[in-house]
Amino acid sequence: NAGVMQNPRHLVRRRGQEARLRCSPMKGHSHVYWYRQLPEEGLKFMVYLQKENIIDESGMPKERFSAEFPKEGPSILRIQQVVRGDSAAYFCASSPSGAGDGYTFGSGTRLTVV
Amino acid sequence: GQQLNQSPQSMFIQEGEDVSMNCTSSSIFNTWLWYKQDPGEGPVLLIALYKAGELTSNGRLTAQFGITRKDSFLNISASIPSDVGIYFCAGPQGAQKLVFGQGTRLTINP
Repeated sequence: NAGVMQNPRHLVRRRGQEARLRCSPMKGHSHVYWYRQLPEEGLKFMVYLQKENIIDESGMPKERFSAEFPKEGPSILRIQQVVRGDSAAYFCASSPSGAGDGYTFGSGTRLTVV
Repeated sequence: GQQLNQSPQSMFIQEGEDVSMNCTSSSIFNTWLWYKQDPGEGPVLLIALYKAGELTSNGRLTAQFGITRKDSFLNISASIPSDVGIYFCAGPQGAQKLVFGQGTRLTINP
C-alpha cells in the first residue's frame, strides 16, 4: 500500500525556467493538498484540490503558480518563470475525507533555483 | 488568520532525558495534531487529539489537549537518538486546511 508519492525528490532550475512537481495520492484518497516549507519554518498551505477541481487556492501566489488534479494521473504543481525566492520544499498530502483526521504527507520535492 | 506558536524553538538534550514542548493559539481549535519531520522527509502524524482535556499516548509520546482549547502539550519520555527531528503542532483551519506551528527542533547528545 504505497503512501503519497512525490517526484522528483530534488529539482534544480535556473531563474526563468518552469518547475513541474508531481504528486500521486494514497490509494482511495480523493483530497490532495500542496504545502510549501521555507528553511527553518513550518508548512504553509497553498492549494486544495479534488479530482478535476480546485477547491481552495487561497494560499497560492496569484502569478506564476498553478495546480491541477486531472481525472487520470497525478496532481501537478507548476511554477512558471521561477525566481530564487521559490526555492523551498514543496509537500503534497492526501486524505480520504478532510483535515480533521490529519493528512498523509509525501516526502516532498526540494526545489532549488539557481 | 489563526497562528500557532510553539516553544521552545529548539532543544538540546542528553539521551534518556524527558522532553516537553507546547503549542499555543490565540483562537480555539477543535482538533490538535502533532507531527514529526525527519531530515529530508515529510511530516508524519504522531498523535491526534479531539477533545478538550484529552490525554493520549503513543508509546513514549504523550500529548494533551488543553482545557481552554487554545493549547496543547507533547511529552517524550526517555529520549533516544531516533527522536531527533522537528516536531510540529497543527490544527484545522476550516474543514480542509491545516495551520502549522513553526516547529520545535530536537537535538539529542548521545
